[in-house]
Amino acid sequence: QKEVEQDPGPLSVPEGAIVSLNCTYSNSAFQYFMWYRQYSRKGPELLMYTYSSGNKEDGRFTAQVDKSSKYISLFIRDSQPSDSATYLCATSNAGNMLTFGGGTRLMVKP
Amino acid sequence: DTAVSQTPKYLVTQMGNDKSIKCEQNLGHDTMYWYKQDSKKFLKIMFSYNNKELIINETVPNRFSPKSPDKAHLNLHINSLELGDSAVYFCASSHSSGGVQPQHFGDGTRLSIL
Repeated sequence: QKEVEQDPGPLSVPEGAIVSLNCTYSNSAFQYFMWYRQYSRKGPELLMYTYSSGNKEDGRFTAQVDKSSKYISLFIRDSQPSDSATYLCATSNAGNMLTFGGGTRLMVKP
Repeated sequence: DTAVSQTPKYLVTQMGNDKSIKCEQNLGHDTMYWYKQDSKKFLKIMFSYNNKELIINETVPNRFSPKSPDKAHLNLHINSLELGDSAVYFCASSHSSGGVQPQHFGDGTRLSIL
């Protein structure tokens, strides 16, 4: 079992839909949680960064962490075709060693 | 104004050859990383250097040797390439202080072994 699990998708939604992307993790020591977006043939770019449990909002994006159930979510409101990409969650307990999930491929259809 | 740049973008070579990938960052970060991304998109840390010193060395064959001439550069040399080395290799960088710092990635080097 991998330490961080994501459904690989693809997840296909119509433009304007609310998207919910999720990760589960197994190591209760993880305290830092990140979401990266990766376009085809590009490197991952940081979208959201949270520490411990709770919500964080940035524009159309909301990251949610529930440490009691070891569940991480990313919500995208009013999804756009430009949001079509692979979304990777990443976690860490300390230091700068990140553990990544395998990514969920999202397709937003116009 | 590229933040983390890797060269080459594509590398196609024969089994048994030796090759190098270069990485440079202009973000003023003191920590750099090499990751391998397989065909299933899993990103796995290989190495991390802080101020030219190796701080993370995951279970990687010793055919892979990182070299950091200064804190803005981290190169990866691979000896005796094997078919299983085919993957996308990403360089990343971050600050090291103040808790876990977000990492900034290059656009990857696509390595194909024939």
